[in-house]
Amino acid sequence: SQKIEQNSEALNIQEGKTATLTCNYTNYSPAYLQWYRQDPGRGPVFLLLIRENEKEKRKERLKVTFDTTLKQSLFHITASQPADSATYLCALIPGGSYIPTFGRGTSLIVHP
Amino acid sequence: GAGVSQSPSNKVTEKGKDVELRCDPISGHTALYWYRQSLGQGLEFLIYFQGNSAPDKSGLPSDRFSAERTGGSVSTLTIQRTQQEDSAVYLCASSLSQGQETQYFGPGTRLLVL
Repeated sequence: SQKIEQNSEALNIQEGKTATLTCNYTNYSPAYLQWYRQDPGRGPVFLLLIRENEKEKRKERLKVTFDTTLKQSLFHITASQPADSATYLCALIPGGSYIPTFGRGTSLIVHP
Repeated sequence: GAGVSQSPSNKVTEKGKDVELRCDPISGHTALYWYRQSLGQGLEFLIYFQGNSAPDKSGLPSDRFSAERTGGSVSTLTIQRTQQEDSAVYLCASSLSQGQETQYFGPGTRLLVL
């Protein structure tokens, strides 16, 4: 069956370090993959999108990699700040579809 | 408006009652999605509207759930004969058009069925 896995345990890191979050999937052939940020009591906010033929995407302190062989995406936040503390969701969109399937998200806590 | 709005923000109802949840998408956005998010769970797709096309209802969990979108803008999600397991946050998102990958989410409606 199709499955998207994100680490359910919270990631705790020190301010200034690089946070790396993982999204693994099985039995999908995603056309593209998205990362969202969700703060408590709010809806998700779109951050980055990466297509199946792209290896890496960057936006300011954010970097996303996409390895379709390993079926994995890594989401990096460099020079992390306490304000980066939130839950980060990955979402996969299969080819020929406009409906994303979301992972459960990983909570990131950046300590000052 | 500047973003997607949803109302009410919170709804408490008794088991067996019907509820209506409203979503106002960003003006000009033709694609509209409804999701459900339960505690500790990922977003569960419910229904997708695109312009005047027939909606994709493949995510609706039962026939107690229905949604409509009037005039290609405002959408209403209706849950009939609510059950306790319907308690969740219901999120609406819109995007500029089919194929536009960025979805803009509303703040959600927190539904509690007693």
